[in-house]
Amino acid sequence: EDQVTQSPEALRLQEGESSSLNCSYTVSGLRGLFWYRQDPGKGPEFLFTLYSAGEEKEKERLKATLTKKESFLHITAPKPEDSATYLCAVQAKAAGNKLTFGGGTRVLVKP
Amino acid sequence: DGGITQSPKYLFRKEGQNVTLSCEQNLNHDAMYWYRQDPGQGLRLIYYSQIVNDFQKGDIAEGYSVSREKKESFPLTVTSAQKNPTAFYLCASSPTLNYGYTFGSGTRLTVV
Repeated sequence: EDQVTQSPEALRLQEGESSSLNCSYTVSGLRGLFWYRQDPGKGPEFLFTLYSAGEEKEKERLKATLTKKESFLHITAPKPEDSATYLCAVQAKAAGNKLTFGGGTRVLVKP
Repeated sequence: DGGITQSPKYLFRKEGQNVTLSCEQNLNHDAMYWYRQDPGQGLRLIYYSQIVNDFQKGDIAEGYSVSREKKESFPLTVTSAQKNPTAFYLCASSPTLNYGYTFGSGTRLTVV
């Protein structure tokens, strides 16, 4: 069974204080790992897809990396507008289009 | 603009009632999905459909039903058999394999 565990559950940061979110996964043949951002009361918004160990992708203050067992989302010099819940999901090769999601990390950036 | 439209945004259900949540997309995506999100928890898959007139149960399908008569539409019915329906429901779509989902803005269902 595919499993995704995100840590920490919640993260409080001061503006400018860089940090990393962790996504550990077990999957029988990874097709892709996805990161989403979700604001309260809204649907998740796509951020990145990573396909193979060693791959990295960046978008503004966010950088996602992937190893064979986990992915990290690094937030560099965060701003209050980076406050959101960040969701990680995996897609297994044998699972068609299905995504298995982790529980998310709630990030609060204080000015 | 292309996207996914979920309606209504808020829905209240009385005990014993069936309610239907609407999901429409104009992205020309083949696959559509319904997820449930409870406070502090991740998204759990209810049903998904990869083509018209075909759909499969997800991890928590009991008490729910769907139809896929048109490519653009994938409505979800929450039946009276669903014992704990209060949650945030998210519809999503995707074109093919290796693509992430595009999500709608969600429907918050509350049992009163």
